[in-house]
Amino acid sequence: GAGVSQSPSNKVTEKGKDVELRCDPISGHTALYWYRQSLGQGLEFLIYFQGNSAPDKSGLPSDRFSAERTGGSVSTLTIQRTQQEDSAVYLCASSQGILAKNIQYFGAGTRLSVL
Amino acid sequence: TQLLEQSPQFLSIQEGENLTVYCNSSSVFSSLQWYRQEPGEGPVLLVTVVTGGEVKKLKRLTFQFGDARKDSSLHITAAQPGDTGLYLCAGDSGGYNKLIFGAGTRLAVHP
Repeated sequence: GAGVSQSPSNKVTEKGKDVELRCDPISGHTALYWYRQSLGQGLEFLIYFQGNSAPDKSGLPSDRFSAERTGGSVSTLTIQRTQQEDSAVYLCASSQGILAKNIQYFGAGTRLSVL
Repeated sequence: TQLLEQSPQFLSIQEGENLTVYCNSSSVFSSLQWYRQEPGEGPVLLVTVVTGGEVKKLKRLTFQFGDARKDSSLHITAAQPGDTGLYLCAGDSGGYNKLIFGAGTRLAVHP
């Protein structure tokens, strides 16, 4: 596609429910990153994929958070038993590779609100 | 833990004024990037600085990377309302382009 696409753009859920956030990276981009942006804050790294592998999951806040990537393309971030503190904008970025010279292109994000 | 501190957090100025945003850390970064983010959108890369002491210019924006590669600044000359947005600095800690972001500077330029 022309850019990184994320869906849904907005998600409102009740505390305790599970949610799935989707990221469609730019075609051909092997690296994919998930970040979280809380209100008034910068971005917080969650996890990155090289192909379908996730070598660094260190940013995932708890075991309620998981992510997968299939076919070296689409990635899904799943949050189980959502809590109010999970409310944030979840951003996905993709790049041609993991070297610093490769620009990360960001999607518009999914705004998650947990009531 | 590597941290990037940005200042000021908020900046409200009149069109035509100059401003500088700072990004500081006690850690060394292999490169540092500046992004601009508008409401409802993801950050968009403005520039990457790699070499200590490097200066890059993008029209009215001037970016500097500190000699020790621990800090950076963004200077905007003659700000315009179109410059309004959230400016984020991000450091690459090395390895796989994992970015550490500052909290951002929210700039409002009034006509």
